[in-house]
Amino acid sequence: DAGVTQSPTHLIKTRGQQVTLRCSPKSGHDTVSWYQQALGQGPQFIFQYYEEEERQRGNFPDRFSGHQFPNYSSELNVNALLLGDSALYLCASSSLTFRPDTQYFGPGTRLTVL
Amino acid sequence: AQTVTQSQPEMSVQEAETVTLSCTYDTSESDYYLFWYKQPPSRQMILVIRQEAYKQQNATENRFSVNFQKAAKSFSLKISDSQLGDAAMYFCAYTRGIQGAQKLVFGQGTRLTINP
Repeated sequence: DAGVTQSPTHLIKTRGQQVTLRCSPKSGHDTVSWYQQALGQGPQFIFQYYEEEERQRGNFPDRFSGHQFPNYSSELNVNALLLGDSALYLCASSSLTFRPDTQYFGPGTRLTVL
Repeated sequence: AQTVTQSQPEMSVQEAETVTLSCTYDTSESDYYLFWYKQPPSRQMILVIRQEAYKQQNATENRFSVNFQKAAKSFSLKISDSQLGDAAMYFCAYTRGIQGAQKLVFGQGTRLTINP
C-alpha cells in the first residue's frame, strides 16, 4: 500500500521565480491538503482539494495556487517567489468516505528561495 | 478561530522511562478530533494517535496513550517505556468534526530527546 509521495525532495529557486510541487495521495484517498512548515514552526494550512476543486483555503496570498487531477494527484504552484516562501511544503491526503478527519502526510518538499 | 498550544518547547526523558507531553486547545465546537503527530529528523509527519471528542475513553496505541480532558480542553500524550526511536518533534493537532475533510490546526511542537 503506497503512502503519500511528493516530488521533488529539495528545490532551490531565486526570488521572483515560479515553482511547482507535486503530490500523489495514499491509495484510496481522494482529498489532498497542502501545508507550509517554516523552520521551527508547526505546519500552516494552505488549501485543500477534492473532486478537482479547492474546498478550503488558509490565509495565503493568491500567489499560491493549486490543482487536482482526475487521478487525485495534486500540484502546488507558487508564483513570484519571496525569501519568506522558504519552507518545508507538506502534502496530506485523506478519504472523504472513511475517517475524513484523519490526514496522512508525505515526506515533504524543502524549498529554498535565494 | 481554533488554536492549539503546546507549552513545552523541549522535553527530555531517560530511555525506558515515561514522559508526558502537554497540549491545550481552544474551540467553541462540540464535535472535533484531536491528533498527535511525530516528526523525526527525516521530516515525515507520522500519525501517532487519534482521539474523537465525543468519546470519553482515552485513545491508546501500544506505548502511546492520551489523557483527554474535554472540559479543560486538554489533550496530553503519554509515552511509556521510551525508546531512542521516539526522539522527534511532536505536534498536537485539531480538526473540526463537520462533515467532510477539514483543515488541521497545529501547535508549535515539542522537541523530545531520549537520553540513553
